[in-house]
Amino acid sequence: GENVEQHPSTLSVQEGDSAVIKCTYSDSASNYFPWYKQELGKGPQLIIDIRSNVGEKKDQRIAVTLNKTAKHFSLHITETQPEDSAVYFCAASKRTSYDKVIFGPGTSLSVIP
Amino acid sequence: DTAVSQTPKYLVTQMGNDKSIKCEQNLGHDTMYWYKQDSKKFLKIMFSYNNKELIINETVPNRFSPKSPDKAHLNLHINSLELGDSAVYFCASSRDRSRGYTFGSGTRLTVV
Repeated sequence: GENVEQHPSTLSVQEGDSAVIKCTYSDSASNYFPWYKQELGKGPQLIIDIRSNVGEKKDQRIAVTLNKTAKHFSLHITETQPEDSAVYFCAASKRTSYDKVIFGPGTSLSVIP
Repeated sequence: DTAVSQTPKYLVTQMGNDKSIKCEQNLGHDTMYWYKQDSKKFLKIMFSYNNKELIINETVPNRFSPKSPDKAHLNLHINSLELGDSAVYFCASSRDRSRGYTFGSGTRLTVV
């Protein structure tokens, strides 16, 4: 089955710097890659997603890149702010009738003011 | 207007008890899920229902039984609770299985 790895497990950056979180997946049939942000005491919230027919997607200060050949995808956050501090999860799934989203183990991001 | 609401938010109970967690979504989504998040924050799918039909049933002990009375509700009943069941349980929904999820705020279950 699908396996998603995520690095680093913890990341501290100074406010205003960029943060990059990297994920790899094992199933080459996976074609949908969402990213979730989980703040303390809350459920994960979808912040951006990318499908396998696209190499890059950007939404304001966040961007995702996908390398299907290497089975890598990354989240880039620019101009980080303290409110970006949270746990970030990458995930992968196949768009089939019985697919399931497999989550990476999470990255705890701390933005230091 | 909470999109995916779970009750209760906290649940403390003794080993051996039976408890239920309720979930409701008002988004009109067809698919609902239960995920378990352990102390290391790892999210693992337990069940998925599409239009009241069970479509994903991971290797979860038989003590866990989901019930979907209609497509807006997915409840989780747990029999004979064990210490290892302590975790945060998240309900989620999606319009279809190829789109992102909307998660509830979670139910923190503590078994003592």
